[in-house]
Amino acid sequence: ELKVEQNPLFLSMQEGKNYTIYCNYSTTSDRLYWYRQDPGKSLESLFVLLSNGAVKQEGRLMASLDTKARLSTLHITAAVHDLSATYFCAVVSKYNNNDMRFGAGTRLTVKP
Amino acid sequence: GAVVSQHPSWVICKSGTSVKIECRSLDFQATTMFWYRQFPKQSLMLMATSNEGSKATYEQGVEKDKFLINHASLTLSTLTVTSAHPEDSSFYICSAIQGGNQPQHFGDGTRLSIL
Repeated sequence: ELKVEQNPLFLSMQEGKNYTIYCNYSTTSDRLYWYRQDPGKSLESLFVLLSNGAVKQEGRLMASLDTKARLSTLHITAAVHDLSATYFCAVVSKYNNNDMRFGAGTRLTVKP
Repeated sequence: GAVVSQHPSWVICKSGTSVKIECRSLDFQATTMFWYRQFPKQSLMLMATSNEGSKATYEQGVEKDKFLINHASLTLSTLTVTSAHPEDSSFYICSAIQGGNQPQHFGDGTRLSIL
């Protein structure tokens, strides 16, 4: 069974600081997503990572994927208040395209 | 492109009522649609996967007689929560894919509150 572990679950940081969120998964996958969710809203797609070594950047967020270690990271650079949200990673099973599992989410609060 | 519309966005009703939620793909044909449930401060949990014209596949622990899913066309899937009770109160999110390795496109979610 595909399991996804995300940490930390809660993260409070000051503006301008850097931090990394980790996403580990249990079985082979070649497709991993990062989403952002604001309170009361649905999911906003941030990144899709399709291959080992993939790195994508958008603004202050950078995501990477290591399929051998079954690990993805979401790195926050020089955080700003607008990044406050809950971030989820989601992993699609290589053996079943319809099987996508979510991590528990990381609730990020960026304080001025 | 790839817009998924979910309706209604918020519904409050009394215990024992049945509630229907619609999920539509507006600009593409969705071979597969997914229904998720999200309790406060928790992650999304997949409830069921539905393919057009066939019965939905439910995840373990999800009662198929309580959560009726109909995927009658390539652009519409409905979730009916039958005889809803307060413990069914949650945020329900649908998603749809065009097929194969395409990404899931998420609806805006429906907040269901049962009194």
